[in-house]
Amino acid sequence: GAGVSQSPRYKVTKRGQDVALRCDPISGHVSLYWYRQALGQGPEFLTYFNYEAQQDKSGLPNDRFSAERPEGSISTLTIQRTEQRDSAMYRCASSLAIGSNQPQHFGDGTRLSIL
Amino acid sequence: DAKTTQPTSMDCAEGRAANLPCNHSTISGNEYVYWYRQIHSQGPQYIIHGLKNNETNEMASLIITEDRKSSTLILPHATLRDTAVYYCIVRKYTTSGTYKYIFGTGTRLKVLA
Repeated sequence: GAGVSQSPRYKVTKRGQDVALRCDPISGHVSLYWYRQALGQGPEFLTYFNYEAQQDKSGLPNDRFSAERPEGSISTLTIQRTEQRDSAMYRCASSLAIGSNQPQHFGDGTRLSIL
Repeated sequence: DAKTTQPTSMDCAEGRAANLPCNHSTISGNEYVYWYRQIHSQGPQYIIHGLKNNETNEMASLIITEDRKSSTLILPHATLRDTAVYYCIVRKYTTSGTYKYIFGTGTRLKVLA
């Protein structure tokens, strides 16, 4: 079946613009995670959804970052008033259920470049 | 947060076993160890996970020490396609009910022909 799908694959925008990154998880996966990955580093947790509820947003760097998952499926990570330091690979992952030890499955990410 | 420590890089001859170590000395009793790998800029790919017992699947084996402070991922017959960055991750349960992955910097495994 289809894996985690993220769009766009690449996004280049000017500083100060808002961007929206989309994640379509594996069908039936309840849990959805957003990560940010800098070059040469492992992914860093941003936020987590259980169905449509955002249960943990402790990793969001500041209030310019927000995320939603209104119907418990597709999620959008929005960055307002982008800054150059926001440039990174943004990855989404999903897993079957929160209470189990089922692994997270990652998408191929959106590479965001802020000029 | 439980952190993991891995060698920065390792080489392995093609066809030989690749043994990738990981230290997680501050792991708690309910925290699982997961291994993922990442090839180029692709998303991390799940390999295997375990809590206490050794585990084996079609990709690899995971050996966890009795005190759970370290583990080793074994790729029994490494191929060139196994060249990747391998991440050892401790899954942490948080008070908000989240299971977080805490990634380190991983081991860059190079399989040599």
